[in-house]
Amino acid sequence: GQQLNQSPQSMFIQEGEDVSMNCTSSSIFNTWLWYKQDPGEGPVLLIALYKAGELTSNGRLTAQFGITRKDSFLNISASIPSDVGIYFCAGQLIGGAQKLVFGQGTRLTINP
Amino acid sequence: GAVVSQHPSWVICKSGTSVKIECRSLDFQATTMFWYRQFPKQSLMLMATSNEGSKATYEQGVEKDKFLINHASLTLSTLTVTSAHPEDSSFYICSARAGGQYEQYFGPGTRLTVT
Repeated sequence: GQQLNQSPQSMFIQEGEDVSMNCTSSSIFNTWLWYKQDPGEGPVLLIALYKAGELTSNGRLTAQFGITRKDSFLNISASIPSDVGIYFCAGQLIGGAQKLVFGQGTRLTINP
Repeated sequence: GAVVSQHPSWVICKSGTSVKIECRSLDFQATTMFWYRQFPKQSLMLMATSNEGSKATYEQGVEKDKFLINHASLTLSTLTVTSAHPEDSSFYICSARAGGQYEQYFGPGTRLTVT
């Protein structure tokens, strides 16, 4: 099925560092969502983006909806141990049945 | 707000038996619920979309007679894995969306092991 290209696939950083990940697609989306999934749990919604160019923050998280509607990035500032997990981007297709297309995920590991 | 629960959180069953998984939206009415399957270290794969009171729409390659979905109320959807086989072992996750909203909120998932 259709997927978003999410990168990087994994990151190993030191506590306190900033993190950046992004998703790109050949398709246009009308909504971008960023989720975090801990092992054995369901994804938790972090940020939702609704308009091209939109920049939204949630605490130390910042995400942007690309102006072309085909990409989005998520930044995490001053990482802490509880940021460890897998981050997924998800795009909602225009005209689709409200279905989400997911990226492959970015696995974040933090060294204390 | 926007809490989705799943039951059971894990289940072990024998080959050939059926297993039912429940997904509930606890504090909102979910006009649409989605069922996903996730294999280890992989992304979520959409299995089907269900709207309250109507038949589910299955993704290509998903057997509708094997994965029975019922969305009888605005707060409850069920997924029944019929005649389970070991290859059906996976992590099943539901999500729910309120009418007029774009966000999907996920349940905690159900780990199914078929022996």
